[in-house]
Amino acid sequence: QVQLQESGPGLVKPSGTLSLTCAVSGGSISSSNWWSWVRQPPGKGLEWIGEIYHSGSTNYNPSLKSRVTISVDKSKNQFSLKLSSVTAADTAVYYCARAFRAPPAPAYYFDYWGQGTLVTVSS
Amino acid sequence: EIVLTQSPATLSLSPGERATLSCRASQSVSSYLAWYQQKPGQAPRLLIYDASNRATGIPARFSGSGSGTDFTLTISSLEPEDFAVYYCQQRSNWLTWTFGQGTKVEIK
Repeated sequence: QVQLQESGPGLVKPSGTLSLTCAVSGGSISSSNWWSWVRQPPGKGLEWIGEIYHSGSTNYNPSLKSRVTISVDKSKNQFSLKLSSVTAADTAVYYCARAFRAPPAPAYYFDYWGQGTLVTVSS
Repeated sequence: EIVLTQSPATLSLSPGERATLSCRASQSVSSYLAWYQQKPGQAPRLLIYDASNRATGIPARFSGSGSGTDFTLTISSLEPEDFAVYYCQQRSNWLTWTFGQGTKVEIK
């Protein structure tokens, strides 16, 4: 059973950088999956932030692309998120998630999620 | 960017009733659409992928249909644990993921 666990500071100051890590257990981050970050502001819907493949290939939400960096550490079986120049609008529960596809269909979907971690941007 | 619009925003039903949720895409996504269920304080759970395939462990009362731009999630007979928020999701051009804004299924 694959498990994902987010970790990182729960409070970040405005204009600072939000940094989170997602540790993957029960499976390899080098498998044929994409690994994503998704966030959810309090009481609102889901917003995809970006994703990474074990090769290091990344895709980002165009609305956040200038501020986001996602990286992978295969030796630790984990991937990370950095979001710079944060404001109160970045306050949210941040989830990491694994994306799978069911061949022969080409599309990917999220089958495993972390439990989420609340990050508050405040001075 | 493909926009997903869900309706209604809120569905008020009683246990045992049938729930029909809609998701409309701003352009065709073929059959590449998923549905998730989210309960308060929990991560979303995958229910349906590729428009009509139930994910592992999902009860048969959940079914999905549609293709192109119009999709439906049906819960044939609501159980108490089904009252939650439901999201549709797609990954356009295999590069950008979008979610609908959600439909809340609440107890009437």
